[in-house]
Amino acid sequence: DVKVTQSSRYLVKRTGEKVFLECVQDMDHENMFWYRQDPGLGLRLIYFSYDVKMKEKGDIPEGYSVSREKKERFSLILESASTNQTSMYLCASSSATGVDTQYFGPGTRLTVL
Amino acid sequence: GQSLEQPSEVTAVEGAIVQINCTYQTSGFYGLSWYQQHDGGAPTFLSYNALDGLEETGRFSSFLSRSDSYGYLLLQELQMKDSASYFCAVSGGYQKVTFGTGTKLQVIP
Repeated sequence: DVKVTQSSRYLVKRTGEKVFLECVQDMDHENMFWYRQDPGLGLRLIYFSYDVKMKEKGDIPEGYSVSREKKERFSLILESASTNQTSMYLCASSSATGVDTQYFGPGTRLTVL
Repeated sequence: GQSLEQPSEVTAVEGAIVQINCTYQTSGFYGLSWYQQHDGGAPTFLSYNALDGLEETGRFSSFLSRSDSYGYLLLQELQMKDSASYFCAVSGGYQKVTFGTGTKLQVIP
């Protein structure tokens, strides 16, 4: 069974802290994605990666960075968390030929105080 | 860039049929997909259309008209468990997918 896992379901951090969100997939997928989801705004793409060590900016990359050292793992980093980064963060993966079929993790609800 | 429009809310009666529309503007287009998300859950893939026409998967069907930049998701024989948010998404190349803002479907008895 296809599985995408995220390191935490809920996370509370303070302004200025460095935050790491981890995502692991077990499907040998080439593509991995990080989205944030806010009420009324849908899912907005932060960054994606189509191969190990490769990354591309999405629509809202400011304030975020990513790391993909291994195929199965994609990390989202908030260098200095701010209150406007309070959100639900969703990780997804897809095969190289099936980018439209994305498999999502359960999400991490991050609160920045 | 890419932008998608879909209604924010739809209410329908159990057992009925409901159609959720999606219009899009894209600089490149490969296909239109649909996802379902229950409250507190993760989005799950429902369907994908790359070519014009109707794709049927059980009670759910999805339609695409590339010339009109338009698609819809059709849910038949509605059940209470279909109450969820539904997102259309467009792939425009470079392995990138853009999601709409979602339609919250409420099924009432």
